[in-house]
Amino acid sequence: DIQLTQSPSFLSASVGDRVTITCRASQGISSYLAWYQQKPGKAPKVLIYAASTLQSGVPSRFSGSGSGTEFTLTISSLQPEDFATYYCQQLNSYPLTFGGGTKVEIK
Amino acid sequence: EVQLVVSGGGLVQPGGSLRLSCAASGFTFSDHYMDWVRQAPGKGLEWVGRSRNKANSYTTEYAASVKGRFSISRDDSKNSLYLQMNSLKTEDTAVYYCARNLPSGDIGFDYWGQGTLVTVSS
Repeated sequence: DIQLTQSPSFLSASVGDRVTITCRASQGISSYLAWYQQKPGKAPKVLIYAASTLQSGVPSRFSGSGSGTEFTLTISSLQPEDFATYYCQQLNSYPLTFGGGTKVEIK
Repeated sequence: EVQLVVSGGGLVQPGGSLRLSCAASGFTFSDHYMDWVRQAPGKGLEWVGRSRNKANSYTTEYAASVKGRFSISRDDSKNSLYLQMNSLKTEDTAVYYCARNLPSGDIGFDYWGQGTLVTVSS
């Protein structure tokens, strides 16, 4: 199985900060990576797919990069509505797997 | 408007069975791969399994943790996806989501149902 390791697992930041979350895969997954945002009590919402493609309707302050085994999600200027938990997911091979999550909280 | 509505959760004893349903609307259901994902209380996301679309013969994939106990099916005439869960264990307690795959292939899930809580306890 492909393991996804997210770092950090917890992040405290202020409105306006630039935030970067890393997702490392235990083996190469090309660009078969998606990023999701989840707020308490809600279903996840896709932000980025195919490693770097912004889902329609998602603000442009979100961006994704990487391929192979190392990927990043960047929020260029953190907004109040961005405080949530973020997950990466690999879709390269079965079983599909998610990273452990990164909780972004208000500093 | 795309909608996925999940139903069928509840309290069940260990060893029992439960069937979840995911009713889809607002898109051509038969065109899409559909997946089940679960989330144990306070934990992260765990992929459960997949139903491929008609063009791919409705084949399925499962996580090792549920293989042989859970079964995914779909009825395109009813725009519905199902998760039959047998031999339930306490560790299957979770919120269960259905999710639609993006149209372009194995690149992510663009719509999710609201989730339904399954509690396995005596």
